[in-house]
Amino acid sequence: GAGVSQSPSNKVTEKGKDVELRCDPISGHTALYWYRQRLGQGLEFLIYFQGNSAPDKSGLPSDRFSAERTGESVSTLTIQRTQQEDSAVYLCASSLRTGDGNTIYFGEGSWLTVV
Amino acid sequence: DAKTTQPTSMDCAEGRAANLPCNHSTISGNEYVYWYRQIHSQGPQYIIHGLKNNETNEMASLIITEDRKSSTLILPHATLRDTAVYYCIVRVANSGAGSYQLTFGKGTKLSVIP
Repeated sequence: GAGVSQSPSNKVTEKGKDVELRCDPISGHTALYWYRQRLGQGLEFLIYFQGNSAPDKSGLPSDRFSAERTGESVSTLTIQRTQQEDSAVYLCASSLRTGDGNTIYFGEGSWLTVV
Repeated sequence: DAKTTQPTSMDCAEGRAANLPCNHSTISGNEYVYWYRQIHSQGPQYIIHGLKNNETNEMASLIITEDRKSSTLILPHATLRDTAVYYCIVRVANSGAGSYQLTFGKGTKLSVIP
């Protein structure tokens, strides 16, 4: 597709359940990023992929959060044993490569509500 | 990491130019200035970026001072659809991982008024 695609766009889950959020980056983009944004708050960096490797996981809030990327393309963010505090929009972004001057483009996000 | 300072909010009359300032006094020589905006409930939208020279595209102009310690984003003819939170970001590199991820601050909430 032309832009970063995320699914599902909306997800309501019960506390304690696991959820998977999917990101399809722009074709050919080697760098992929996940961010989280709670309602009324700023964007929090979660994790970054270069190819299929994740050299920067510094933003993952707990071990309940994990992410993987395959084929240097699709990425999945998994949240285990969801809690109400996990309710947020999860944003995926990609760029052609790392380094200054390479623009990062965002998807529209996956809205997660934990009830 | 260079930090940015932006006004919390601004108003602009529809059809007028919106000038959004940003201070980044600790920017280093190889760091770019990026601008994004986020319209309610949508993902951040890239606007423009620059290193030293002023830049212009179909959306906006970016004016960077000669000492690079501040910049201004200019929307030449603001419309109601430009109402959004505008983020000025200095692109940093995670020294341990080279991720060059964007660090978002609180931004400026621009309200375009009819």
